Amino acid sequence: SQQGEEDPQALSIQEGENATMNCSYKTSINNLQWYRQNSGRGLVHLILIRSNEREKHSGRLRVTLDTSKKSSSLLITASRAADTASYFCATDNYGQNFVFGPGTRLSVLP
Amino acid sequence: KAGVTQTPRYLIKTRGQQVTLSCSPISGHRSVSWYQQTPGQGLQFLFEYFSETQRNKGNFPGRFSGRQFSNSRSEMNVSTLELGDSALYLCASSPRSSGGNTGELFFGEGSRLTVL
Repeated sequence: SQQGEEDPQALSIQEGENATMNCSYKTSINNLQWYRQNSGRGLVHLILIRSNEREKHSGRLRVTLDTSKKSSSLLITASRAADTASYFCATDNYGQNFVFGPGTRLSVLP
Repeated sequence: KAGVTQTPRYLIKTRGQQVTLSCSPISGHRSVSWYQQTPGQGLQFLFEYFSETQRNKGNFPGRFSGRQFSNSRSEMNVSTLELGDSALYLCASSPRSSGGNTGELFFGEGSRLTVL
C-alpha cells in the first residue's frame, strides 16, 4: 500500500505564481524526499529532509516536515513553464524500501 | 559520472512471452531497486538488490524476478506476460550502505513495456 499520499492530485497555475503540494504518510520515517518526473521520463531527486528537520530550502524549493502530523509540503516559488511535471514524495522507512505517493501533476501556464 | 542506464527503452511483447530488462547503476552504487509505474497504481516497488543479494521485495507475483551481478548491474525478468504488465519499469541506484537507506535514489529513464 502507498505510504505517501500527495495532495492535490493536479494543480494548474500561471507562471510566476507559487505552487504548494502536500504529502501525508502513515509510519515513522528516517527521511522524506521529493522527486520530479517529466512526462514518461525517469524521476529526478529534488530535496531530502530528515526526520529531525522541520524546514529545508534549495533554490526556489522549500520543504517542510511535520512528524507529529506525518505530513510534508513542497513549495515552488516563482514557478516557470519548465516546472511543469509530476511531483512525488517518497518516504525512507529505516532500511525498508522507499515508498512513493501517487504524485501531483503540476501544470504551469505561460 | 555516467547516470543510470536502462535497456531497452521501449519494447513490445505479446501475452505469454517473457521479457528481460537491464539496468547499469552509477559507478560505485551497490544498491539497485526496481519500480513499476502505471497510471492506475503509481510507482510500485518491485525489489532491491545489494551486493548481489535481494534485500527487499515488493508485493508482486513470482513471475517477476531479478538478479544482480558482481559489477552491480541488474536485470529483471517477467515471465508469462499479461496485459496488466504494460508499464514503465524504472531502475534506481543509490549509494546506500549495508546498514540501510541513505540518501537519494538515482533513476534511469525507464523501460516502457507494452504487452499486446
